[in-house]
Amino acid sequence: SQQGEEDPQALSIQEGENATMNCSYKTSINNLQWYRQNSGRGLVHLILIRSNEREKHSGRLRVTLDTSKKSSSLLITASRAADTASYFCASSPISGGYNKLIFGAGTRLAVHP
Amino acid sequence: GAVVSQHPSRVICKSGTSVKIECRSLDFQATTMFWYRQFPKQSLMLMATSNEGSKATYEQGVEKDKFLINHASLTLSTLTVTSAHPEDSSFYICSARVGGSYNEQFFGPGTRLTVL
Repeated sequence: SQQGEEDPQALSIQEGENATMNCSYKTSINNLQWYRQNSGRGLVHLILIRSNEREKHSGRLRVTLDTSKKSSSLLITASRAADTASYFCASSPISGGYNKLIFGAGTRLAVHP
Repeated sequence: GAVVSQHPSRVICKSGTSVKIECRSLDFQATTMFWYRQFPKQSLMLMATSNEGSKATYEQGVEKDKFLINHASLTLSTLTVTSAHPEDSSFYICSARVGGSYNEQFFGPGTRLTVL
């Protein structure tokens, strides 16, 4: 299967709480990216973390990468109702050069006011 | 940021007809464009990689004669679903990569195809 795995598949929280999503991938990577997708829309790039990086921050987002475990996590702090969306990780496998992205199954996040 | 557009956003067609979907990079030149397919509540599956001026590279299991890809210029790639059937109904998303970058891809808004 192309896909990586993400958990949880769905997450429901209250505004102000933090949301953590996990992603695992299968092969050695150049980098890993996180995307957001609102229902029925295209993807918005959130953050890219390179294989030699362990943690990266962007506003309320914090991404970690553990290449020994082939896993990554996305933390959204102080969530808002507008954060409701599906979140996908996408790994860039070394075998694919810099061309391919292999998407995880996604986490559907619902943030309730 | 870089903008990618898709046209049409939504199309309904009869079984047996062909449908063309356009993907354009509006403010940058894309040496490589990608076509993905997404079923409801599922992830994106890469269908093919399209390089300007050369033949597309299709992923395993994707029929190249069914899904024709033409990357005619650095700003335009087209996907034609030939002889569409109801099982081809899906959300098709393109993305474009700026050459020489760390693989950041910019995604179009997607095209919802419904085959009756």
